[in-house]
Amino acid sequence: GAVVSQHPSRVICKSGTSVKIECRSLDFQATTMFWYRQFPKKSLMLMATSNEGSKATYEQGVEKDKFLINHASLTLSTLTVTSAHPEDSSFYICSALDRGTGELFFGEGSRLTVL
Amino acid sequence: QKEVEQNSGPLSVPEGAIASLNCTYSDRGSQSFFWYRQYSGKSPELIMFIYSNGDKEDGRFTAQLNKASQYVSLLIRDSQPSDSATYLCAVSPSGTYKYIFGTGTRLKVLA
Repeated sequence: GAVVSQHPSRVICKSGTSVKIECRSLDFQATTMFWYRQFPKKSLMLMATSNEGSKATYEQGVEKDKFLINHASLTLSTLTVTSAHPEDSSFYICSALDRGTGELFFGEGSRLTVL
Repeated sequence: QKEVEQNSGPLSVPEGAIASLNCTYSDRGSQSFFWYRQYSGKSPELIMFIYSNGDKEDGRFTAQLNKASQYVSLLIRDSQPSDSATYLCAVSPSGTYKYIFGTGTRLKVLA
């Protein structure tokens, strides 16, 4: 089946630094990818919709200048957390939409810890 | 505000019993409904999807959809300890590929 690869799976960084997370669709071309964040024992909260070749669409309350999303190719979307702070520590999960089947495939998730 | 609601649980069932998980949604125009299983610290994995009213069975899992009442449920027959996880209900509003997730129900299957 289709696979979505997310990297890195874990990252620890100092406050004030930037962190980039990659999301790749391995078996299909994903014109649309989604970025979620999940706090412990909470549900997935959609942060933004990433469309290949165009600007991402951010959900209400998500700072676009803090969470930079780039979807430069049909198989890769990146999320950069800029000037990270401890409150940005969370589990970030990407998903890629296979428009052919309408199915959404999730990456393995990236756990960010900001010290 | 489009919402998807689930009882957070935990729902405890003995091994071999039927686990029943429920989900309600607010957007009457929703077209697609999904159940995901998420183990602690892991990403969600798709169990089933359902688009039409009625029941859909896949192995030990049965999804039930009632659009008039705006609820979708998941039944797990012959529950196993390995089924212990958080089950997320997701709804896709009409005309969009966005998924709105519920808060999840934590299921514990007791050996």
